[in-house]
Amino acid sequence: NAGVTQTPKFQVLKTGQSMTLQCAQDMNHNSMYWYRQDPGMGLRLIYYSASEGTTDKGEVPNGYNVSRLNKREFSLRLESAAPSQTSVYFCASSEGAGRNNYGYTFGSGTRLTVV
Amino acid sequence: GDSVTQMEGPVTLSEEAFLTINCTYTATGYPSLFWYVQYPGEGLQLLLKATKADDKGSNKGFEATYRKETTSFHLEKGSVQVSDSAVYFCALSDYSSASKIIFGSGTRLSIRP
Repeated sequence: NAGVTQTPKFQVLKTGQSMTLQCAQDMNHNSMYWYRQDPGMGLRLIYYSASEGTTDKGEVPNGYNVSRLNKREFSLRLESAAPSQTSVYFCASSEGAGRNNYGYTFGSGTRLTVV
Repeated sequence: GDSVTQMEGPVTLSEEAFLTINCTYTATGYPSLFWYVQYPGEGLQLLLKATKADDKGSNKGFEATYRKETTSFHLEKGSVQVSDSAVYFCALSDYSSASKIIFGSGTRLSIRP
């Protein structure tokens, strides 16, 4: 089925460990996004990529890095995990921009726990 | 900056009751507005959208009208079902090339049989 695929679905890390969350979309969308979801705080944008080859910081980028590997793939890396990064992470993609933004397609999420 | 404010939950209703979830926004331009729904253990799904003033988005019996004068986009449904139990997010999209979407904090809805 067409959509956004995230891996892994669950992960437990120890403080200080690193890991990369993977995201791939097969809808030929230009823009891709990483959000984190915490209880009572909705979704907060970590990084986004408006097009292949570009990345920009969102609302909460500290402690994260991203790579737009190609048009399909957009990865999120935690270099030295901290308990404050315990969250559910969502990747999303969108086709249009401005008034032609038809909304995001979301992946099913990665539940990350840092102990 | 742009922001979205929606009513706090949880909201608990009986089946077949009328639903309203309030949403207001602050934006410098004329954003597109969205409602997303998140079922337990899943990602967010687009429920409906509106791109300009007075547009009405609708889907699965849910409706919301883009009210520029009151900067609101309230979600309504005439008769809710148990299967509508979920978390609902109001959101807006700016007009930058990246079209980042800003989400409200979400409203949890529970429907009693």
